[in-house]
Amino acid sequence: DTAVSQTPKYLVTQMGNDKSIKCEQNLGHDTMYWYKQDSKKFLKIMFSYNNKELIINETVPNRFSPKSPDKAHLNLHINSLELGDSAVYFCASSRPLAAGSYEQYFGPGTRLTVT
Amino acid sequence: SQQGEEDPQALSIQEGENATMNCSYKTSINNLQWYRQNSGRGLVHLILIRSNEREKHSGRLRVTLDTSKKSSSLLITASRAADTASYFCATDNQGGKLIFGQGTELSVKP
Repeated sequence: DTAVSQTPKYLVTQMGNDKSIKCEQNLGHDTMYWYKQDSKKFLKIMFSYNNKELIINETVPNRFSPKSPDKAHLNLHINSLELGDSAVYFCASSRPLAAGSYEQYFGPGTRLTVT
Repeated sequence: SQQGEEDPQALSIQEGENATMNCSYKTSINNLQWYRQNSGRGLVHLILIRSNEREKHSGRLRVTLDTSKKSSSLLITASRAADTASYFCATDNQGGKLIFGQGTELSVKP
């Protein structure tokens, strides 16, 4: 009964490759997010989808392309991987709380290592 | 750009002691949230305080918010070894877009 799940948990790949990370939530939330956490634990939002529609698109290289086939899934595809893409990628989802407040539920993370 | 800055960056205490972490931010907010991250895991939401609230409690957690100083603090009372984790503040000023601080690493020694 995992709430937010991601696959794979670890991903080791070479520069130039294309890879995807999948995320699924069974919480019935409308909004999903992708975050990147660097080696200093700094967590930065990348994208957000609300009911399959892109609502937040931060300044992320266009090698990163999110896709939301339905509101329970948000995948992240990365083209032409670079060394600097090495990080932990977290998926999250949220339900709206009262007055525009959003508590977020995070997945376990995908540790991407580009060699 | 980074919104929240936390201090201390690292905190080491003995079990039973209280731990206080501080967060400062730059712009106006709708609410401020605190999250915990255990090593190798995802973040877990702890508590949310709205901009019109000054203090909130949840179990052993006490959060304060001073919007005039643009700062918040998280107090964990009677700490336990299981509280060892990184703690992050996150500000919400655009309905769902959370901006995280760099976190405080708390180590509670048994």
